[in-house]
Amino acid sequence: TVVTQEPSFSVAPGGTVTLTCGLDSGSVSPTHYPTWYQQTPGQPPRTVIYNTDTRSSGVPDRFSGSILGKKAALTITGAQADDECDYYCVLYMGTGMVFGGGTRLTIL
Amino acid sequence: QEQLIQSGAEVKKPGASVKVSCMASGYVFSTYDINWVRQAPGKGLEWMGWMNPNSGKTDYAEKFQGRITMTRNTYTGTAYLELSSLRSEDTAVYFCARGQGLAARPELWGQGTLVTVSS
Repeated sequence: TVVTQEPSFSVAPGGTVTLTCGLDSGSVSPTHYPTWYQQTPGQPPRTVIYNTDTRSSGVPDRFSGSILGKKAALTITGAQADDECDYYCVLYMGTGMVFGGGTRLTIL
Repeated sequence: QEQLIQSGAEVKKPGASVKVSCMASGYVFSTYDINWVRQAPGKGLEWMGWMNPNSGKTDYAEKFQGRITMTRNTYTGTAYLELSSLRSEDTAVYFCARGQGLAARPELWGQGTLVTVSS
C-alpha cells in the first residue's frame, strides 16, 4: 500500500492551500482515520487533525480536515509564516498504518 | 507530565543489532499501545509496528518482518525496539509514540533516538 502526498506546495501569506492524501489503489474513507501531522526540523511530529476532521488541542481553526473525492484533505485558510514546515498524513489499515511521503509547505 | 523518554544515540556496524528503549512517565504504561516510527535523514516518516503493552501482542510492517522485535517490561513501564541485521539504510531517528484512539494514532512522541549504521 502506498499513501500519496504532493511532495511540495507553496502558498502566499493569507492564502488558502489544500494538501491531499490518497491511496495508490482505492479511496480514502473515514474508516482509515486520516491523521495529519506537522513537523519542523529536529522535532517529533505534532498532530494537527485526526479522525478525518477533528482538530487537535491548541491547533488554530484555520486548519481543517475533510474527505475530498477519493482523498483526505488538509486545508489551511489564511496561511501564516509559521505554517511553513513538513506535513504528513497517516492512514490506518487495520493491522497497521502507513504514512504518506510528506508535503513540504512553503509560505512565499 | 506525560512523556516518553528514549535511550541515547547508537552507532552500529552493518550486520549488528540495536535495541532502543522507551520509558513511559506520567501515565499508566499498559493503557495505551506503543508505536515505533523511524525517519531517515532528510526523508519521511515510516511506521514500523506497534505493541499492546498489556498483552504484549505486536503487529509489524511487512518490510521489517523477520528482523524486528518489540518487547516491554511492564514493571518499569518501558518498551523496547530491537532491529537486527542492520544495514546502512537503517540509519535513522527512531521514535516511539503512544497510540491514541481506535486507530492507535501516534500522539505522544518520544524525543527520538539516532541510530547510525556505519562500518
